[in-house]
Amino acid sequence: KAGVTQTPRYLIKTRGQQVTLSCSPISGHRSVSWYQQTPGQGLQFLFEYFSETQRNKGNFPGRFSGRQFSNSRSEMNVSTLELGDSALYLCASSGERGNSPLHFGNGTRLTVT
Amino acid sequence: AQKVTQAQTEISVVEKEDVTLDCVYETRDTTYYLFWYKQPPSGELVFLIRRNSFDEQNEISGRYSWNFQKSTSSFNFTITASQVVDSAVYFCALGMEYGNKLVFGAGTILRVKS
Repeated sequence: KAGVTQTPRYLIKTRGQQVTLSCSPISGHRSVSWYQQTPGQGLQFLFEYFSETQRNKGNFPGRFSGRQFSNSRSEMNVSTLELGDSALYLCASSGERGNSPLHFGNGTRLTVT
Repeated sequence: AQKVTQAQTEISVVEKEDVTLDCVYETRDTTYYLFWYKQPPSGELVFLIRRNSFDEQNEISGRYSWNFQKSTSSFNFTITASQVVDSAVYFCALGMEYGNKLVFGAGTILRVKS
C-alpha cells in the first residue's frame, strides 16, 4: 500500500507570492491533516479535512487555506508569502473518523526568500 | 487548553544503554489520546503508539515500552538496549476525543553513539 505522498518535496518562493502544496493520502483514508514544522514553533496543526469538509482548524491567519477533493486528495495554499512561512509542511492521513494514528508524508520543504 | 511538555531537548547515549524520554501533558478533557512519533532525518513522522485516557496499562513492543500514569499526567517512553538506528527526534502528542488535531511537544533529539 502506497504511503502518503506530498508534492513537491522542495519549493523556493519569493515574499508576496503564493504557493500550493499537494497531498495524496493513503488509499481509503478520508481524513487529511496538515501541520507546519519550524525550528522555533515546532509542529503546529493547520487544518483537517474529512470527506471534503474542514473539520478542524488551527490558529493560523487566513492566508493559509486548504481543500479536499472527492478522491480525498488535498491541497493547501498559502497566499502573500512571508519569510516566516518558511517551514516543513507535513500532511497526514487517517482512515478512521475519530482520533486515530496519523500516517505522515515526507513533507514539503518551503523556503521563502 | 491542551499542552505537551518534553523537557529533555537532547539526550546522548552510547549504544546498548537504556534511555527514557519524558512526556508530561495538560488537558481538561476526560477522553483524550496520547501518541509517540519518531522523526528520522528523512523527515517523515513515524507512528509508534497510541494510548487512550482510559487505558493505563503499560505497553511493551520489542525494545520499546511506554509508561502511562494519569496521576502525574505523564506518558514516558523507554528504549531498552538502544541502537544507532534509534537516533531521531521523538515527539509526544496529545489528541482530543474527536477529529485528528494533535498538539505536539517540542520533541527530544536522541543521539545514540556506537
